[in-house]
Amino acid sequence: KQEVTQIPAALSVPEGENLVLNCSFTDSAIYNLQWFRQDPGKGLTSLLLIQSSQREQTSGRLNASLDKSSGRSTLYIAASQPGDSATYLCAVTGNEKLTFGTGTRLTIIP
Amino acid sequence: GAVVSQHPSWVICKSGTSVKIECRSLDFQATTMFWYRQFPKQSLMLMATSNEGSKATYEQGVEKDKFLINHASLTLSTLTVTSAHPEDSSFYICSAQTGAIQETQYFGPGTRLLVL
Repeated sequence: KQEVTQIPAALSVPEGENLVLNCSFTDSAIYNLQWFRQDPGKGLTSLLLIQSSQREQTSGRLNASLDKSSGRSTLYIAASQPGDSATYLCAVTGNEKLTFGTGTRLTIIP
Repeated sequence: GAVVSQHPSWVICKSGTSVKIECRSLDFQATTMFWYRQFPKQSLMLMATSNEGSKATYEQGVEKDKFLINHASLTLSTLTVTSAHPEDSSFYICSAQTGAIQETQYFGPGTRLLVL
């Protein structure tokens, strides 16, 4: 059974700093990995999707990496802004379903 | 493109009543739709997978007679919470997919259910 863990569970950083969120998964037989953002009481916004054959994806200030063999992914956020405050979820697509991580609640301090 | 809507966005009901939540893919045909549940400060847990025209596949521990799923068309799936109880209060999110499992799932905005 796939298990996805995110560390830390919560993170507070001053505005302008760069930061890294971590995601680990137990079964490396995945099709892809996605990073989502969820604002309080809202649905999910897809940020980046990395196919299993890829090593990283970039979108603006966001960069996600994937090391399938070690079961790890990181989401790097550059020059953080207060608007980046949200919960970030990683999810892996395995055999027939998407398994979500536990989430990291990010607070950017103005 | 690839917009998924849910209705209602929030609902409050009395214990014992049934509640229906709709999930629609607005600009694409979804061969598969998924229903997730999210309790406060927890991650999303898959409840069931539904394919158009066939019975839904439920995850272990999810009661199929309590959570009725209908996927009657390629753009609409419904989740009915029957005889709702306070412990069913949660955030329900659907997603839709156009093809194979490795294709992207597009998520709806969620429905918050509060059972009194």
